[in-house]
Amino acid sequence: GAVVSQHPSWVICKSGTSVKIECRSLDFQATTMFWYRQFPKQSLMLMATSNEGSKATYEQGVEKDKFLINHASLTLSTLTVTSAHPEDSSFYICSAMDRGRANYGYTFGSGTRLTVV
Amino acid sequence: GENVEQHPSTLSVQEGDSAVIKCTYSDSASNYFPWYKQELGKRPQLIIDIRSNVGEKKDQRIAVTLNKTAKHFSLHITETQPEDSAVYFCAASIRQFYFGTGTSLTVIP
Repeated sequence: GAVVSQHPSWVICKSGTSVKIECRSLDFQATTMFWYRQFPKQSLMLMATSNEGSKATYEQGVEKDKFLINHASLTLSTLTVTSAHPEDSSFYICSAMDRGRANYGYTFGSGTRLTVV
Repeated sequence: GENVEQHPSTLSVQEGDSAVIKCTYSDSASNYFPWYKQELGKRPQLIIDIRSNVGEKKDQRIAVTLNKTAKHFSLHITETQPEDSAVYFCAASIRQFYFGTGTSLTVIP
């Protein structure tokens, strides 16, 4: 089945630094990947849609200069949280769309818990 | 964008009873409605889904119903077991997913 690998699974960083999170589709090509953020006891909020070879589409209220998304290949999308602050601490999770599956299956990565201190 | 509402936010049932979670959506163009189960700190796991051309789908103890006219869909879990305890999210999708606010289900042994 479709597998999405996300790294790191957790990261602690100092305020003001940047953190990169990787999302890889291991056995399928993902022309589109999605990035979500989930605060404790809350729902998954779509941050942006990442399209291979083009600019990401950000949801309203998400700062594109703060959350940099790069989707340079059909199997890799990265999210970089720049100049991280404690309020950016959250669970970040990606999902990838496998166009090869009849039901346009979406597979989620395992998530990254970011703590900014 | 799409707006998905989910109720209830918390639900406690006795083991063996049924649990029902309801969602409404706003965009009539949404055509795919998955349900996810998420355990603490883990990724959401797809448990069942339904497309807009189907009114009902069942998989063992889990069923989903969809009313396109009213723009609402529901998750039904029968014969609940303690391991069903988790947070459940509905979602509506045309391409990207918009999630409901989640329901924390507790099954009391």
